[in-house]
Amino acid sequence: AQTVTQSQPEMSVQEAETVTLSCTYDTSESDYYLFWYKQPPSRQMILVIRQEAYKQQNATENRFSVNFQKAAKSFSLKISDSQLGDAAMYFCAYRSATNYGGSQGNLIFGKGTKLSVKP
Amino acid sequence: DGGITQSPKYLFRKEGQNVTLSCEQNLNHDAMYWYRQDPGQGLRLIYYSQIVNDFQKGDIAEGYSVSREKKESFPLTVTSAQKNPTAFYLCASSFGGGDWGQYFGPGTRLTVT
Repeated sequence: AQTVTQSQPEMSVQEAETVTLSCTYDTSESDYYLFWYKQPPSRQMILVIRQEAYKQQNATENRFSVNFQKAAKSFSLKISDSQLGDAAMYFCAYRSATNYGGSQGNLIFGKGTKLSVKP
Repeated sequence: DGGITQSPKYLFRKEGQNVTLSCEQNLNHDAMYWYRQDPGQGLRLIYYSQIVNDFQKGDIAEGYSVSREKKESFPLTVTSAQKNPTAFYLCASSFGGGDWGQYFGPGTRLTVT
């Protein structure tokens, strides 16, 4: 079974600085998707960025980018020019691209990293 | 506006009572999901449904039940058999197999005393 590990329960960054959140995963599959979700104090989960495993190019969405290392099974999130609104829980998630009994779309989540942004 | 709605935002029940949490989406998504979130934990899958009138158990289905009579709706019933029902419940949906991720509702905080 696949697992997702976020080894940093809490992180802190100064406003306007850059921070990197770590995520590792365990899988025997070669085709899958990886996601980062943000959960602000409102608790609604927001999709931040998505990576396809068969694409070597790292995904980027404005100030958010990933460092995807497939061989190392690592998927870190870099937030540049941090803003106060970036303060939230961040969850890394894995999704298989293989349909096992209809479970293809199911996400496996890490336990999250709480990011604080200091003004 | 397209999106997912969950109601109510806060729900209180007495132990031994069944309670149903609502989830509606107008995104025309095929698949819908229910997750439970506890403090210090990631999201854990309760049930999911990829098409109308069909659904499967997730990792922690015991004590829960669902129905999928309409594409737009996927209500979750927390039964009295659920030993620790107090939690935050999130509903999500995705188009097709979810290649582009799942989209979440605002959640329902259930407190059972």
